[in-house]
Amino acid sequence: DTAVSQTPKYLVTQMGNDKSIKCEQNLGHDTMYWYKQDSKKFLKIMFSYNNKELIINETVPNRFSPKSPDKAHLNLHINSLELGDSAVYFCASSDWGDYNEQFFGPGTRLTVL
Amino acid sequence: QKEVEQDPGPLSVPEGAIVSLNCTYSNSAFQYFMWYRQYSRKGPELLMYTYSSGNKEDGRFTAQVDKSSKYISLFIRDSQPSDSATYLCAMRGTNFGNEKLTFGTGTRLTIIP
Repeated sequence: DTAVSQTPKYLVTQMGNDKSIKCEQNLGHDTMYWYKQDSKKFLKIMFSYNNKELIINETVPNRFSPKSPDKAHLNLHINSLELGDSAVYFCASSDWGDYNEQFFGPGTRLTVL
Repeated sequence: QKEVEQDPGPLSVPEGAIVSLNCTYSNSAFQYFMWYRQYSRKGPELLMYTYSSGNKEDGRFTAQVDKSSKYISLFIRDSQPSDSATYLCAMRGTNFGNEKLTFGTGTRLTIIP
């Protein structure tokens, strides 16, 4: 039944490590997104993909690399993790078009020690 | 100055009260206006969606957009404890393909039984 799912839900790791977060949607959408939500609840887009093609790439360090193997999946790989990367990362999906209600996943809480 | 300003609260009101949540914005190109609700430790979910100026009502919720003042509001009537959440306004322009959704910082609302 889950519409947008993310794994893992929690991720605790040391500075300098490399980690990945996976996202899958079963809504049949063709557009997917990654957002970062900081400790003050500010939600900011990082990337968006449409049909596996990168559409939006905000000013994000190139340590962050998204990968979309197909329309239903969008993964996020982070190299050389830093303390400032600690946040909640949300995946979302939507149809492509003017009315683009975005459906969010449950989030992955990343803590870098 | 941020593109979208939202009072972070917290806001506490007694059950049954009318709640007013607001956002101001600076980008006159914004045409689509949304309110998302986010429960603790969950992903945001779309509550209301408005195109251009005007009002929209859905049950106990009313969204208002005043583009001349660059001001949007969400009213909650007969507030319930289950309305306790963080409310995020979001908006974007009409160039859907290449435009991101810009969020406010969210207002944390608590309804006191």
